[in-house]
Amino acid sequence: NAGVMQNPRHLVRRRGQEARLRCSPMKGHSHVYWYRQLPEEGLKFMVYLQKENIIDESGMPKERFSAEFPKEGPSILRIQQVVRGDSAAYFCASSPPNRELTYEQYFGPGTRLTVT
Amino acid sequence: QKEVEQDPGPLSVPEGAIVSLNCTYSNSAFQYFMWYRQYSRKGPELLMYTYSSGNKEDGRFTAQVDKSSKYISLFIRDSQPSDSATYLCAMGVYSSASKIIFGSGTRLSIRP
Repeated sequence: NAGVMQNPRHLVRRRGQEARLRCSPMKGHSHVYWYRQLPEEGLKFMVYLQKENIIDESGMPKERFSAEFPKEGPSILRIQQVVRGDSAAYFCASSPPNRELTYEQYFGPGTRLTVT
Repeated sequence: QKEVEQDPGPLSVPEGAIVSLNCTYSNSAFQYFMWYRQYSRKGPELLMYTYSSGNKEDGRFTAQVDKSSKYISLFIRDSQPSDSATYLCAMGVYSSASKIIFGSGTRLSIRP
């Protein structure tokens, strides 16, 4: 059973470009979460999605950031017009469909975004 | 004040020692508590979770929760060099299961 998959693992973008990060949840999981981790800091929640629905985006910056989890295909975190402060590791996690088990999240290997 | 406080370390102990990792929290609404292990350049791996005060044991790992003191611990017995990693505590509330609050992590090094 493959774990959570994220790609690319490393992404370099120049200021002003767009970054697109992909996440495929574990098989059978229907909840996806995105987190950002800055150096020497813990993970910070960004957004929680189910298929075709954004459930909670309270941790997402209001501008330039968006996320989706379409009916088919991976979840996408998009960052438009990237700035140097967006450089971080972005982790995706997934959890099984039972609502009460959403604390049990399984993380992918992360995408390390570097903005030059 | 951060909702979850965790000493960043680094913590270095000899192989075979008992390791104690700790977190304190300020939000008395937290209902469930977790420990994650994160190796360098990897994603966090869920080690243990619990939702009640007291101890929970899994092999060499014991998670302890004291809700009255707002204090949680992870003990590692017979530590091995392969336990060298960053350990993150995390906690949340059921009514907002989508938002887990993580500590900043403690870097642990086990010396052979």
